[in-house]
Amino acid sequence: DQQVKQNSPSLSVQEGRISILNCDYTNSMFDYFLWYKKYPAEGPTFLISISSIKDKNEDGRFTVFLNKSAKHLSLHIVPSQPGDSAVYFCAASLNSGYSTLTFGKGTMLLVSP
Amino acid sequence: NAGVMQNPRHLVRRRGQEARLRCSPMKGHSHVYWYRQLPEEGLKFMVYLQKENIIDESGMPKERFSAEFPKEGPSILRIQQVVRGDSAAYFCASSPRASGSGTDTQYFGPGTRLTVL
Repeated sequence: DQQVKQNSPSLSVQEGRISILNCDYTNSMFDYFLWYKKYPAEGPTFLISISSIKDKNEDGRFTVFLNKSAKHLSLHIVPSQPGDSAVYFCAASLNSGYSTLTFGKGTMLLVSP
Repeated sequence: NAGVMQNPRHLVRRRGQEARLRCSPMKGHSHVYWYRQLPEEGLKFMVYLQKENIIDESGMPKERFSAEFPKEGPSILRIQQVVRGDSAAYFCASSPRASGSGTDTQYFGPGTRLTVL
């Protein structure tokens, strides 16, 4: 039972265009969401996060949107750069004193020059 | 300002041997999390530890797997009598405080790639 789903295994985008990566979740108790970026043979690197009390969080070229009613979030990268090519993982945590992360399977983004 | 350190980066074991994976958290971090990534899968939580305490091991297989985070030294994930299905990338993450509801982000190490022959 996958609680965090990334239904697109891969995405190809041209340099300078917008990349939109999507993530759906099923557990309504999740209240904090994160995006991690992962290069081959490296660990995931934290990118951006959003709390369930917000619907948007922006950091430079990266914006995360949260639609709680649809249990959906998306990561927008604009403009996309070749160095953004990596696997992007969506993760969620529960509303508790501590919480581990539940990850999606990831989306491989390829940005071509 | 070193990040999370994991060693070895690559580990090859034959079936039945033991595997020991080490994780040194970031300086000032006292919370450690272990995750496993099987091929073509996302990361799956295994165990959460604070110094000298296991807080949550709900993701850890009941047999052959154990973890510790002693007062001094790195956190250790130990897999006894490895089988081919244990082949995976094992990632450690750390945070300065309990990582819940956005209180503190988890920062990941580079992982240990375990191959069981």
